[in-house]
Amino acid sequence: SQQGEEDPQALSIQEGENATMNCSYKTSINNLQWYRQNSGRGLVHLILIRSNEREKHSGRLRVTLDTSKKSSSLLITASRAADTASYFCATGDNYGQNFVFGPGTRLSVLP
Amino acid sequence: DTGVSQDPRHKITKRGQNVTFRCDPISEHNRLYWYRQTLGQGPEFLTYFQNEAQLEKSRLLSDRFSAERPKGSFSTLEIQRTEQGDSAMYLCASSSGPLNTEAFFGQGTRLTVV
Repeated sequence: SQQGEEDPQALSIQEGENATMNCSYKTSINNLQWYRQNSGRGLVHLILIRSNEREKHSGRLRVTLDTSKKSSSLLITASRAADTASYFCATGDNYGQNFVFGPGTRLSVLP
Repeated sequence: DTGVSQDPRHKITKRGQNVTFRCDPISEHNRLYWYRQTLGQGPEFLTYFQNEAQLEKSRLLSDRFSAERPKGSFSTLEIQRTEQGDSAMYLCASSSGPLNTEAFFGQGTRLTVV
């Protein structure tokens, strides 16, 4: 079963707007990662946030983590058409060796 | 390019045939993962290697599936007696360092069983 659940399932915005995606998970984690996937391609790692961190930035990306609510959010500021992709969160725990992915949010940025 | 490479990129096979996919991880990475992804879904974990040892297998990995990583370098994933339900994108990833660090994914092998 999938650990993370992204919300919304699909998001459509205009270029220049901000996009926010959320991820909820069920069990304790060691870290949470966000990935991007363009249609029919492999996944590209965006950012990793550890369980003792609350916020992390990378360029136009901002990730927050609330372990008490078991949730994370990914904010993309000043979106571009090239940001159109599916975005997945993946969680890692202290015991397992693999990453558990959610079903993803499909983001469409309209020019 | 020193990223994760997968071969072939696409494979069309008839039901009942065997197929084998190859993954070459980033050279210094000791962890290697296989995932399966169907349309509109997130990747589902199949199996994981640390060096040459296969440490974890998903229940999704039926007895028709086998994976190897001889000498802890490249890995192969074989599917025997393919079924239409095996049609999916098969993704390989590698990572290094402490537990649950960033994983780098290949472009995937898209399998179509007809």
